[in-house]
Amino acid sequence: GNSVTQMEGPVTLSEEAFLTINCTYTATGYPSLFWYVQYPGEGLQLLLKATKADDKGSNKGFEATYRKETTSFHLEKGSVQVSDSAVYFCALSPSQGGSEKLVFGKGTKLTVNP
Amino acid sequence: NAGVTQTPKFRVLKTGQSMTLLCAQDMNHEYMYWYRQDPGMGLRLIHYSVGEGTTAKGEVPDGYNVSRLKKQNFLLGLESAAPSQTSVYFCASSSGLAGGLTGELFFGEGSRLTVL
Repeated sequence: GNSVTQMEGPVTLSEEAFLTINCTYTATGYPSLFWYVQYPGEGLQLLLKATKADDKGSNKGFEATYRKETTSFHLEKGSVQVSDSAVYFCALSPSQGGSEKLVFGKGTKLTVNP
Repeated sequence: NAGVTQTPKFRVLKTGQSMTLLCAQDMNHEYMYWYRQDPGMGLRLIHYSVGEGTTAKGEVPDGYNVSRLKKQNFLLGLESAAPSQTSVYFCASSSGLAGGLTGELFFGEGSRLTVL
């Protein structure tokens, strides 16, 4: 079946540090891949996406590249800020599925200290 | 910009009591969903709807019922609450197949339910 595995948190960084949150997936066909972010007390919101191999999604200084050969979609940011403190979810949408088939990872909590 | 609105935001129930969570969206979306979020478990889909008058089971439907009588509303009911249903519940909506291709679900702020 389809699944997403994220690195377990929590992750604690100092401001301006480099961030990597690992995400690997298992899926048949050619899924689309996403990162969602959940700020404290809020619902999830889409951060970035990539719909085919070698695509790079980017938003708010975050980037992730769809690597089919390693089945990965790692999230990176060169210099994190306190305001990036949140829970990050990796997700996939199967190539033949509708939005009800979105599969989420368990989430990685990031805390950025000043 | 209302988007997706959930009510209530907090509720405490005793075992065996019933309650309904209401979700309303103003984006004219066809698809609506109810998820629960538990520590270390991520998000799990409870039920979803692909349009007015339709409902379908997700990954963890037992103990819950839903109704979609109006396109903009999606109700989640607990007929006899159990402590295992203590969780944060999120409603989401998307524009159907486009949501599936783009992956963009729009979430409410969540409803925290505690069952004693």
